[in-house]
Amino acid sequence: GAVVSQHPSRVICKSGTSVKIECRSLDFQATTMFWYRQFPKQSLMLMATSNEGSKATYEQGVEKDKFLINHASLTLSTLTVTSAHPEDSSFYICSAREKAWGDEQYFGPGTRLTVT
Amino acid sequence: GENVEQHPSTLSVQEGDSAVIKCTYSDSASNYFPWYKQELGKRPQLIIDIRSNVGEKKDQRIAVTLNKTAKHFSLHITETQPEDSAVYFCAATGSSGGYQKVTFGIGTKLQVIP
Repeated sequence: GAVVSQHPSRVICKSGTSVKIECRSLDFQATTMFWYRQFPKQSLMLMATSNEGSKATYEQGVEKDKFLINHASLTLSTLTVTSAHPEDSSFYICSAREKAWGDEQYFGPGTRLTVT
Repeated sequence: GENVEQHPSTLSVQEGDSAVIKCTYSDSASNYFPWYKQELGKRPQLIIDIRSNVGEKKDQRIAVTLNKTAKHFSLHITETQPEDSAVYFCAATGSSGGYQKVTFGIGTKLQVIP
């Protein structure tokens, strides 16, 4: 149980275009989903926290108009990188948490974004 | 906000030896401390966690200790095996602005030499 999927696993896009990444909890209802960014050989940096049905809470320094997060249902959250630039190239990982289960987060497999 | 420091950044041990990774945190309100193992290009996997009301927890070859007073916690891996080679992240979880937030350490690359 507690499986989280992400789609796509890899995406290459041109500079200036937008890319949407989906995060799904497959066998549980995720009251909270988290979006992280990870640069090569670096740690996971929390970008934003989203609770189902409410606006995402962004971390300091993360542009909410550039990284649009939607958590429309208890099993799906999306991250849209708008007007992507090469510096947005990174590994994006989501995680999900079911509040009733406690504090543990279950991570998705990640999405490798390359902006050319 | 919370600040988590982790060391060492790299660690090489001979197969069968023990490995210890240490983390410190700054926010005394943090109450949940998970450890994750991440292999190259893959998702982080929870390997063990500890809550602030517990001082030590063990699961086979892996153990975690927590010193709330000193605000530090450590991961201990005994009888290391080559498949233990990976990057390990510690994390501290606490409430911030009314919601829960996880802050990760910088990671430790563990290499187990056969």
